[in-house]
Amino acid sequence: EIVMTQSPATLSVSPGERATLSCRASQSVGSNLAWYQQKPGQAPRLLIYGASTRATGIPARFSGSGSGTEFTLAISSLQSEDFAVYYCQQNNNWPLTFGGGTKVEIK
Amino acid sequence: EVQLLESGGGLVQPGGSLRLSCAASGFTFSNYAMSWVRQAPGKGLEWVSTISDGGGFTYYADSVRGRFTISRDSSKNTLYLQMNSLRAEDTAVYYCAKDRGSSGWEPLDYWGQGTLVTVSS
Repeated sequence: EIVMTQSPATLSVSPGERATLSCRASQSVGSNLAWYQQKPGQAPRLLIYGASTRATGIPARFSGSGSGTEFTLAISSLQSEDFAVYYCQQNNNWPLTFGGGTKVEIK
Repeated sequence: EVQLLESGGGLVQPGGSLRLSCAASGFTFSNYAMSWVRQAPGKGLEWVSTISDGGGFTYYADSVRGRFTISRDSSKNTLYLQMNSLRAEDTAVYYCAKDRGSSGWEPLDYWGQGTLVTVSS
């Protein structure tokens, strides 16, 4: 099983600032990496797939990068609606696995 | 508009069974793989199972293999999860999700709102 490790667990950021979230895979997943956003009481929402492609309707302030075992999600200028928990997921090998999440909170 | 509506959750005793359903609309159901993902209270996301577009391929997490069965009925645009021999650690919100592709290898681009399963005596 591929273990996905996200860091930090919590990120405190002021509105308008840039946030950078990390995700590491225990073995290479190529570019088969997705990012999801989840707000309290809501279902997850797909943000990024293929490591760097924004899903339909996702604002350009969200960007993904990386390949192999190291990946990054960047939010260029945090809006109030961006404070949430973010998960990475690999879809390269069964079982599909998620990271433990990074909570982005208001500083 | 893609909609996924789960039902069938509830309180069940350890060792009991439950069948979850997910009614899909707004897309051609038979063209896409579908998955179940769960989230224990206050915890992260855990993939549970995936079924390919035609139902010929199914995949399970080790934690549920042999106890859970995923299936689909394209005539009813409905996804199912039969859960047997339930344990306390199966307590979670169960989400139905649509795969971006047909095989199950793509990320999940639409999710339902979830149904809560509580396993307790």
